[in-house]
Amino acid sequence: DTGVSQDPRHKITKRGQNVTFRCDPISEHNRLYWYRQTLGQGPEFLTYFQNEAQLEKSRLLSDRFSAERPKGSFSTLEIQRTEQGDSAMYLCASSSPTGDGYTFGSGTRLTVV
Amino acid sequence: AQTVTQSQPEMSVQEAETVTLSCTYDTSESNYYLFWYKQPPSRQMILVIRQEAYKQQNATENRFSVNFQKAAKSFSLKISDSQLGDTAMYFCAQVSGAGSYQLTFGKGTKLSVIP
Repeated sequence: DTGVSQDPRHKITKRGQNVTFRCDPISEHNRLYWYRQTLGQGPEFLTYFQNEAQLEKSRLLSDRFSAERPKGSFSTLEIQRTEQGDSAMYLCASSSPTGDGYTFGSGTRLTVV
Repeated sequence: AQTVTQSQPEMSVQEAETVTLSCTYDTSESNYYLFWYKQPPSRQMILVIRQEAYKQQNATENRFSVNFQKAAKSFSLKISDSQLGDTAMYFCAQVSGAGSYQLTFGKGTKLSVIP
């Protein structure tokens, strides 16, 4: 297992376009998390899955954001009608059932122009 | 609500010297975990060290150790024999041991190791 993989690494999009990011967690981890990190800040929690169930969503996750984990394996994060304020690093992490150890992916850096 | 505060935006240390990064947190939970993560420039976040709140003994990982003061809600990171590869952003984070599993991060401390 090579860790948590995220694709793409970088995405530049025009304002108003839709974008989708993918995260492949560590295979034996049933918990998957999405975070957003803006420049000079710590990551902020967006949403959390246990297996295929989305159990928690932050207020940061507006109705333009949707996340799925259809088979409890990989996850996608879609942003519709992107805005310049969506420009950030989107981080995915996974953890074991005990939830006491988290492995992060390299992130997807989104730039909205 | 959980909060994590890192009061040192930037720090520097001479190679081979020791540096301590500060972190305070606030939580109403009795069972929780504390972490220090390292994020090198343009690279992924890596776990440095983890502390379980119910353990009184301070965690140690090679050159990295913590000073966990539960009553004061303080969780500082000491890096001994600093190396150039330690240059990175360091984030303190907390997670409740029950219910919500979201990590709450501080704003980070940018550490520069000077040759």
